[in-house]
Amino acid sequence: RKEVEQDPGPFNVPEGATVAFNCTYSNSASQSFFWYRQDCRKEPKLLMSVYSSGNEDGRFTAQLNRASQYISLLIRDSKLSDSATYLCVVNFGNEKLTFGTGTRLTIIP
Amino acid sequence: EPEVTQTPSHQVTQMGQEVILRCVPISNHLYFYWYRQILGQKVEFLVSFYNNEISEKSEIFDDQFSVERPDGSNFTLKIRSTKLEDSAMYFCASSTQGVRLTDTQYFGPGTRLTVL
Repeated sequence: RKEVEQDPGPFNVPEGATVAFNCTYSNSASQSFFWYRQDCRKEPKLLMSVYSSGNEDGRFTAQLNRASQYISLLIRDSKLSDSATYLCVVNFGNEKLTFGTGTRLTIIP
Repeated sequence: EPEVTQTPSHQVTQMGQEVILRCVPISNHLYFYWYRQILGQKVEFLVSFYNNEISEKSEIFDDQFSVERPDGSNFTLKIRSTKLEDSAMYFCASSTQGVRLTDTQYFGPGTRLTVL
C-alpha cells in the first residue's frame, strides 16, 4: 500500500522561531515529492517541489532522503502568515498525487 | 495569473439526488483531476482525465461517479445518486504534462458538497 505519513501536530510556535516538519513515505520507487500548504477550508497550494539535492526558497528549505524514504520541510524566521496546514505529497509513479494527513502549524505572536 | 475555477462554491442536495460539479481548468493544461477531502481528513484522489478519457481512477470512483469534458473549457464531475458519505470538499486540479512527468498540479478553490 502506498502511504504518506505525517505528524498531525498541532505545532504551536512563537513568531520568529524555526520549525521543522517530517514526512515518511512507503514506496522506494516514488518519483516526485512536494510540500503543499492548505489554509482552513481552502484548496491546497504548492509550496515547493522537493529534489534529491535539497532545495531552498527564501525561508523554506526542503530535503529528501530516498534511502530512508523521508522528506522534511524547515521554516526559518516564522511569520504569523505561515500558520496553515502543511501537506506532504508524493507521486508514486502514477497519475495521481497521494497526500499525507497534513501537519497543522500555528504561529503565536 | 491563470487559475482553476469551480462552481458552485457550495452545493446542498438531498440524498439520492444527482449533482454536477463544474470546473474550468487553466486554459493550456491538458490533464485534469478530481480530488475530494472529507472534513478533517486528508485529500484523496478520485480520477484523472486526459485526451477525453479517464487515465486513472481510485476505488472511491465507483459507478455513481462520472466525468466529462463537454466543451473546450469545462470539466465536470457528476454524482448520480448522492449518499450522505459523499459530503466533502471536491477539488478540481489541472496540469500541463501530467504527474508522471513531475508536473505541478494547480487546484481550484473547491466545491463544498453537503448531502442531507
